[in-house]
Amino acid sequence: NAGVMQNPRHLVRRRGQEARLRCSPMKGHSHVYWYRQLPEEGLKFMVYLQKENIIDESGMPKERFSAEFPKEGPSILRIQQVVRGDSAAYFCASSPRGHTYEQYFGPGTRLTVT
Amino acid sequence: GENVEQHPSTLSVQEGDSAVIKCTYSDSASNYFPWYKQELGKRPQLIIDIRSNVGEKKDQRIAVTLNKTAKHFSLHITETQPEDSAVYFCAATQGGSEKLVFGKGTKLTVNP
Repeated sequence: NAGVMQNPRHLVRRRGQEARLRCSPMKGHSHVYWYRQLPEEGLKFMVYLQKENIIDESGMPKERFSAEFPKEGPSILRIQQVVRGDSAAYFCASSPRGHTYEQYFGPGTRLTVT
Repeated sequence: GENVEQHPSTLSVQEGDSAVIKCTYSDSASNYFPWYKQELGKRPQLIIDIRSNVGEKKDQRIAVTLNKTAKHFSLHITETQPEDSAVYFCAATQGGSEKLVFGKGTKLTVNP
């Protein structure tokens, strides 16, 4: 049973470009969460999605960031017009269902904005 | 919103000693408290969790205790080994949601 998959593992973008981060949840999991981690810091919640629905996006910056989890395919976190401050590790996690069930993390995408 | 404080930020112990990491939370509606271990450059790994209807849970050398009245929970690692060296994060759900709020982490070093 494959774990949570993320790609790419490393992504370099110039300022102003777009970054697309992909997350495939564990088999049988229908809930996806995205977190951002800055160096030497904890994880900050960004967004919680179920298939075709955004459940909680209270941690998402109002501009340039969007997320989706289509009926088919991986969840995508999209960052438009990246700035240096977007450089971080972005982790997704999945759970079989919500209401305080365990969240299992993917290996992360390390985004570097030059 | 929920606020999770974690102490200490760094902890160094000798192999075989015990290690204790403590967290406090602010939201009395929080009901799920996981602990994650993260090695350098790796993903956070769920090592143990506890729900609000339980006061203590143990899994081999790892145990977690929860005091709902005082709003704090602790991770206990006994008979530490060098491979326990990592950053440990506590987390708590915010209210009745599935959103996890994380502490800032504790860097544990186990010296052989």
